[in-house]
Amino acid sequence: DVKVTQSSRYLVKRTGEKVFLECVQDMDHENMFWYRQDPGLGLRLIYFSYDVKMKEKGDIPEGYSVSREKKERFSLILESASTNQTSMYLCASSDRPNQPQHFGDGTRLSIL
Amino acid sequence: GNSVTQMEGPVTLSEEAFLTINCTYTATGYPSLFWYVQYPGEGLQLLLKATKADDKGSNKGFEATYRKETTSFHLEKGSVQVSDSAVYFCALSSTGNQFYFGTGTSLTVIP
Repeated sequence: DVKVTQSSRYLVKRTGEKVFLECVQDMDHENMFWYRQDPGLGLRLIYFSYDVKMKEKGDIPEGYSVSREKKERFSLILESASTNQTSMYLCASSDRPNQPQHFGDGTRLSIL
Repeated sequence: GNSVTQMEGPVTLSEEAFLTINCTYTATGYPSLFWYVQYPGEGLQLLLKATKADDKGSNKGFEATYRKETTSFHLEKGSVQVSDSAVYFCALSSTGNQFYFGTGTSLTVIP
């Protein structure tokens, strides 16, 4: 089974901090994704990556950046955290276009 | 463009009732369609999928048929259990790497 591991289940940070969310997958998948999930809005794509050092903006990239230095790891960075970035963050991976995405358990991030 | 519309929740059913969660889509090209389930405190898990018109995906008693003529992929289960309580997401994948998710439908099954 594919395993997607997010480094923290719960995280509390302060406004203005730089925040790192880490995601690791163990199936050598090419594609990795970061979403945020908010009530009533479903999942919104922040960034995705289809190869090492490659990244593409999703629907809501503002205030975020990403890093993919190794194939198995995809990091989401909040450059200067703000309260409106309080949310559930989900990482996913897939091996080819149109194939199912496999999700981690999520990180519930609170910005105070 | 690509989008998914699914019925608003929440849905509350008694155990052994019949479940339908509606999902319609708009897509360019020939999308693959998916249903995901999210149990409390967890990430999304793939429930079933269909990759072409008239395909039926099925898993754990859930079914959905890819209907190109009505651009729909409704989720059904004949007899729900308390353990089916979760949030269900319809999704599509068309050209490229992106998925498009519906807003989710919360299901609560009461004994």
